[in-house]
Amino acid sequence: EAGVAQSPRYKIIEKRQSVAFWCNPISGHATLYWYQQILGQGPKLLIQFQNNGVVDDSQLPKDRFSAERLKGVDSTLKIQPAKLEDSAVYLCASRRLVGGEVDTQYFGPGTRLTVL
Amino acid sequence: SQQGEEDPQALSIQEGENATMNCSYKTSINNLQWYRQNSGRGLVHLILIRSNEREKHSGRLRVTLDTSKKSSSLLITASRAADTASYFCATDPTGANSKLTFGKGITLSVRP
Repeated sequence: EAGVAQSPRYKIIEKRQSVAFWCNPISGHATLYWYQQILGQGPKLLIQFQNNGVVDDSQLPKDRFSAERLKGVDSTLKIQPAKLEDSAVYLCASRRLVGGEVDTQYFGPGTRLTVL
Repeated sequence: SQQGEEDPQALSIQEGENATMNCSYKTSINNLQWYRQNSGRGLVHLILIRSNEREKHSGRLRVTLDTSKKSSSLLITASRAADTASYFCATDPTGANSKLTFGKGITLSVRP
């Protein structure tokens, strides 16, 4: 079974520029997550989708971050404009089930963003 | 906010020794999961323990859960240099939609 795919793996931009990340979850997985992981910390959930609907975006800085999951499969996360504090690894994860049933999240390799 | 708090923050052991890592959390959980992250890589799921379980094994891994103390431990037996990585506990709250909250992680170094 192919894992969660993310691209690009690395991105360097200057502050105030825009950037977009792409995620392709494991086939058939209904739930998709975007996490932000700042160096030395654990991942922090930014947004959670079930199919193509948003379940939780309470920690997404909506003034600059946006995400979508068209057709309930691939997802993109965008930052516009970027700030220095956005430097982090952005992780995508997917999960087969929806709802509160116990299930495992599978993570992609992440995109390392550096904002100069 | 990060619910899971791992202890110690860093651990250095000799190959062949056992490594014990602890995690404490604050609120009720549906399950608790341990993940490993190698430098510059994504997270790899290691083991999941449900709130009604007390102990679980997977190969060289042993996880315990004490819901009365709101704590969990991960034991890696007969450690190998390849076990060098960061380890995170993640809690899945009761009734939530599998929303994981991660701790800051433990850096494990296994010396050959």
